[in-house]
Amino acid sequence: DAGVIQSPRHEVTEMGQEVTLRCKPISGHDYLFWYRQTMMRGLELLIYFNNNVPIDDSGMPEDRFSAKMPNASFSTLKIQPSEPRDSAVYFCASPLGRLQETQYFGPGTRLLVL
Amino acid sequence: AQTVTQSQPEMSVQEAETVTLSCTYDTSESDYYLFWYKQPPSRQMILVIRQEAYKQQNATENRFSVNFQKAAKSFSLKISDSQLGDAAMYFCALALLGGFKTIFGAGTRLFVKA
Repeated sequence: DAGVIQSPRHEVTEMGQEVTLRCKPISGHDYLFWYRQTMMRGLELLIYFNNNVPIDDSGMPEDRFSAKMPNASFSTLKIQPSEPRDSAVYFCASPLGRLQETQYFGPGTRLLVL
Repeated sequence: AQTVTQSQPEMSVQEAETVTLSCTYDTSESDYYLFWYKQPPSRQMILVIRQEAYKQQNATENRFSVNFQKAAKSFSLKISDSQLGDAAMYFCALALLGGFKTIFGAGTRLFVKA
């Protein structure tokens, strides 16, 4: 298995633009997590899905953020409109095998909003 | 609520020496998992070691071992024979059994001197 795949790896955009981050989780597993990492706030859980259904989105900072998981092999995190304070590294993670409590992370997307 | 505390923002070790990173946590649950993740400059989050709370034996992975003290709610990571490639940010994390929200500490940055 290739592990968790994220794209793009780097994104630079201007304030007000829409940003879409993509994630392909480890195949065959039911959970997918989106995290954001900043120097100020550390690693924060934004939202997680089970069987493509959002279970807990209490970490999503504002209505400008939305996430979808249309099928078991793909998820998106969208920011519209983006703001400079959204600049961060965004990680997608999914469990591996039967160890559901152990999360394996994608390489992350480094977002810079100018 | 669960909390994870890493009281050492930075640590330094000489190459080939041993270093211990500290972590304390708090939970009212008796069944949980503890993790150490490594984040090198590439930003990839890499699982280093995993400990099940019901196991008394401390987990070991090659040069990495933990000292798990359940009563004291302490979970330290020992890195033996430190290598330059060990230089990274290290995160301690906690997840409840059957739960999926992993709580991360603030991290400890480890420097390895040649």
